[in-house]
Amino acid sequence: DAGITQSPRHKVTETGTPVTLRCHQTENHRYMYWYRQDPGHGLRLIHYSYGVKDTDKGEVSDGYSVSRSKTEDFLLTLESATSSQTSVYFCATAKEANTEAFFGQGTRLTVV
Amino acid sequence: DQQVKQNSPSLSVQEGRISILNCDYTNSMFDYFLWYKKYPAEGPTFLISISSIKDKNEDGRFTVFLNKSAKHLSLHIVPSQPGDSAVYFCAASVHGNEKLTFGTGTRLTIIP
Repeated sequence: DAGITQSPRHKVTETGTPVTLRCHQTENHRYMYWYRQDPGHGLRLIHYSYGVKDTDKGEVSDGYSVSRSKTEDFLLTLESATSSQTSVYFCATAKEANTEAFFGQGTRLTVV
Repeated sequence: DQQVKQNSPSLSVQEGRISILNCDYTNSMFDYFLWYKKYPAEGPTFLISISSIKDKNEDGRFTVFLNKSAKHLSLHIVPSQPGDSAVYFCAASVHGNEKLTFGTGTRLTIIP
């Protein structure tokens, strides 16, 4: 399995504050993804990256931005956190397109 | 628009019997399908996959069946074991597209 570390694992923040979640991988996988998991919605793609500085939007990208300055790191930023962004966030990596993705352990974010 | 649907939110099966989890999709361009398993407080882990050129793929106790004409896939687990109790997600992608689209998940409970 890919070594994927998400930080922090838990965070409580106030509405309107910026928040950055970090994903670090040690497997040199090209593709990296940010998903959120919510009851009744499964896993929904927020943003993904297909290389350093190459990113694209997923299905629920509003209110989120990402950056990938190094192969191993993929950052997700909530520009101004809202209560609707309370969720569990998962980072995933994949070596190639159309192959299995490997997931981190998740970050539980609560916006109060 | 939910392109990948898991219409059963939960399923209970007696230990030793067969568990059948179902998944339907609407996008006829999908040509690669995966199943993931998720325990509480952990990230999803890859279980098994199938490409559209096949209609069956088997790995130990796990078999995935694909019916392209019906846009339906299923995961069979036999015999079911208590450690199989988890949430199962199906996912799909289009060749050449880096994104995985997930279903909403089915919670499988194996009754001892």
